[in-house]
Amino acid sequence: SQQGEEDPQALSIQEGENATMNCSYKTSINNLQWYRQNSGRGLVHLILIRSNEREKHSGRLRVTLDTSKKSSSLLITASRAADTASYFCASNYGGSQGNLIFGKGTKLSVKP
Amino acid sequence: GAVVSQHPSRVICKSGTSVKIECRSLDFQATTMFWYRQFPKQSLMLMATSNEGSKATYEQGVEKDKFLINHASLTLSTLTVTSAHPEDSSFYICSAPGQPTTNEKLFFGSGTQLSVL
Repeated sequence: SQQGEEDPQALSIQEGENATMNCSYKTSINNLQWYRQNSGRGLVHLILIRSNEREKHSGRLRVTLDTSKKSSSLLITASRAADTASYFCASNYGGSQGNLIFGKGTKLSVKP
Repeated sequence: GAVVSQHPSRVICKSGTSVKIECRSLDFQATTMFWYRQFPKQSLMLMATSNEGSKATYEQGVEKDKFLINHASLTLSTLTVTSAHPEDSSFYICSAPGQPTTNEKLFFGSGTQLSVL
């Protein structure tokens, strides 16, 4: 079954504000990854957090992982108009390499 | 970082024709590549795993005779949509793992928008 349900489905904020997106998954994972997709384009890897990690930072990105709740969050601080895109979480539960289960995504709109 | 090139980016074809989509790893070798399908405003659904030198592994519900996959070399995988019909219209994306020994991140092509008339 599909894992990685994100919420909200859509998020609209002003430039400079923070954006928080949440993701839930259903089974034990090796790692959880976040990807970004601009409209009509491929996905770009943003950050990976392993099952034994609780928080990770990369630039303006902050990811948390709560394995007890099977959930993760992606925080984008000081958002910019260029951050406008869809964001997907992808859970890696082991098995064949790269067999990621993608969530439905959050469409983020950052207004200048 | 690793680059995956996907071509064409957009194709419009008549019903009944076949369409080939190429996925190339430009600066690394990829023994495995993945093909996804994405409907508008929806997530990616894994269609098949392409393996260099062997048959592709298809996900449940994906017709292998409909979606032919060939992994001709360590840098090229192709997806051929045979006898395309309007319901095959979708966004197709390929990806390749950057590190062959661990379940790490994937590098994606830019996608192909297929429109079948």
